[in-house]
Amino acid sequence: DGGITQSPKYLFRKEGQNVTLSCEQNLNHDAMYWYRQDPGQGLRLIYYSQIVNDFQKGDIAEGYSVSREKKESFPLTVTSAQKNPTAFYLCASSPPGHLSSGANVLTFGAGSRLTVL
Amino acid sequence: AQTVTQSQPEMSVQEAETVTLSCTYDTSESNYYLFWYKQPPSRQMILVIRQEAYKQQNATENRFSVNFQKAAKSFSLKISDSQLGDTAMYFCAFMIYTGANSKLTFGKGITLSVRP
Repeated sequence: DGGITQSPKYLFRKEGQNVTLSCEQNLNHDAMYWYRQDPGQGLRLIYYSQIVNDFQKGDIAEGYSVSREKKESFPLTVTSAQKNPTAFYLCASSPPGHLSSGANVLTFGAGSRLTVL
Repeated sequence: AQTVTQSQPEMSVQEAETVTLSCTYDTSESNYYLFWYKQPPSRQMILVIRQEAYKQQNATENRFSVNFQKAAKSFSLKISDSQLGDTAMYFCAFMIYTGANSKLTFGKGITLSVRP
């Protein structure tokens, strides 16, 4: 079945460590996104990528980095510069085109919960 | 910048009754998309319904329908015949389609509880 796979589901990090969250999709979608979810804050956009080898900062990119070397993969690195990294992270993807064809409708992964010890 | 406001943090409804979740947004654009997403306790985000701003007809998907008021910048979700499985967090979201730089902006969400 086509979908988005995020791993790991749970991750613990010590202060000062970098960690990388994996996001893989087999939907052949062009666009991929990373969102952060905190209680009472909704979903906030960290980074997004519309094509391979290109990505843009979202609203809260500081302390995070991404790469898009393959269409299927969009890993997110939470660096030690991120002051409050404990959160639930959601990866999503969407196809291009018109909404009526299903384009620009985001499909989400199951999420990764990061806790800083 | 676009903003999405969901002013009600929590709502509760009796099973089989109807409930309306409110959402307002702010934009100077005229062409955009609106969405409602559901996040049940499993935390898997699921698309509930979508609306293109140029369409005057309100979108419907089975028990879910929207009341889209473009001039008022309002996009409320009506859930009819509420079921226990509708218990979830609901997010209103907004997207301006600019081709290469489309991105979805979410509201803070509303927690809906369906009582048996």
